[in-house]
Order: sequence, then C-alpha cells, then structure tokens
Amino acid sequence: NAGVTQTPKFQVLKTGQSMTLQCAQDMNHNSMYWYRQDPGMGLRLIYYSASEGTTDKGEVPNGYNVSRLNKREFSLRLESAAPSQTSVYFCASSESRQGWVDTQYFGPGTRLTVL
Amino acid sequence: QKEVEQNSGPLSVPEGAIASLNCTYSDRGSQSFFWYRQYSGKSPELIMSIYSNGDKEDGRFTAQLNKASQYVSLLIRDSQPSDSATYLCAVRNYGGATNKLIFGTGTLLAVQP
Repeated sequence: NAGVTQTPKFQVLKTGQSMTLQCAQDMNHNSMYWYRQDPGMGLRLIYYSASEGTTDKGEVPNGYNVSRLNKREFSLRLESAAPSQTSVYFCASSESRQGWVDTQYFGPGTRLTVL
Repeated sequence: QKEVEQNSGPLSVPEGAIASLNCTYSDRGSQSFFWYRQYSGKSPELIMSIYSNGDKEDGRFTAQLNKASQYVSLLIRDSQPSDSATYLCAVRNYGGATNKLIFGTGTLLAVQP
C-alpha cells in the first residue's frame, strides 16, 4: 500500500515549456487535490476532483489544467510554464464518504523550478 | 483578513516543555479542524482532527477548539527535538459537496535540547 505517489520528484523547466505532474493513489479514495506550497503562503488549492469524472477550480487555477484519468489518477498540466509557477506541488486524496469527516493524505511532492 | 491565521514563529521551547500552537479562522460556519505536521522538505502528515468544542487528547498532543471565539490550538506536552517542524492548521470549508481544506501558513516550532 503506497498511499499517494507523485512523479517526478524534481523538475527544472525553461519558461514556456510544458509538463504534466502525475499523481496516483491506491486507497480507493473518491476525492483528489492539487496544491502548491510557496514560502510564506502556505498550501493553496489549485484544482480538485470531488469524484471520478469531475474537476473544479481551487484558489489559484490560472496557468494549470487537470485531468482525472480514472479513480486512481489525477494529473496536473502546465501548458506554458512561467517563473511564478516555481513551487512545491503536492497531490492529496481523501475518501469523501457521505456523512464522514474527511482526512486528506498527501503525496511526497514535486519540486518544480521554472527558469 | 486571511481565512486561517497562524503565527509564523519560530516558536522556540526547551525540551520537555509544553508547546502551544494557535490558529484562528474567519468562517463561523466551519465545523472540522485539522492539525498537520510538516518536516522540512517533506509532505504534511495529519496529527489531530477535532470537530466539537473542548479538548481532544492523543498521546502528548491535545487539540482545543472554541467555536465561539473561532480559535483552535494544539498543545504538545513533553516537547522533544523530534517535534521540531512546521505545524499547519487547516479548516474544512464546506462548498457544496466538496471537502476542501483551507490551510494557514504554518507555525515553525523549534524544540531546543
């Protein structure tokens, strides 16, 4: 049981390049989330997927797109990377059963630098 | 005003002392509250969750919630150097059917041997 996994762990891009961050969970969770973490800003929600087949914008969605490929996988795409997207990206998942209080479990993170 | 506010610290306490971490939130309708610990370079991990007013204890950790004052705290008894980390307060923000969390910026705790 690996929990939440993310690839890659580190990435350096040049401005304008594109890339996709991959996330997978093996806990049969319904909901998945993408956050970015910047010094002094805390964790900010980029996009989330409440259930398979649905995605919604979070607090800072500009410059990103997501795909909930299936129940296990949720990817984050940067179409044209900008230096402002230099950050640590965390994927998380939660069970989100009706009537249950939820806990989010985090992946190990992807450290992205955009030059 | 930020939705979830924490003192960034660092909060420095001697080994064996009680560390007190505080968090205030602005949405009076919030009902679920979480404390995450994050070691440098690592991902957040859940320590405690609390939903009702009062105290909730788990080992050396006690979470305290006061909804009237919109205040949640985390006490760490017998602090150890291994407790040195950033502690993130998170509040469950109900938006339709989702389980979005709003995080504070975190408090850096340093336990001095």
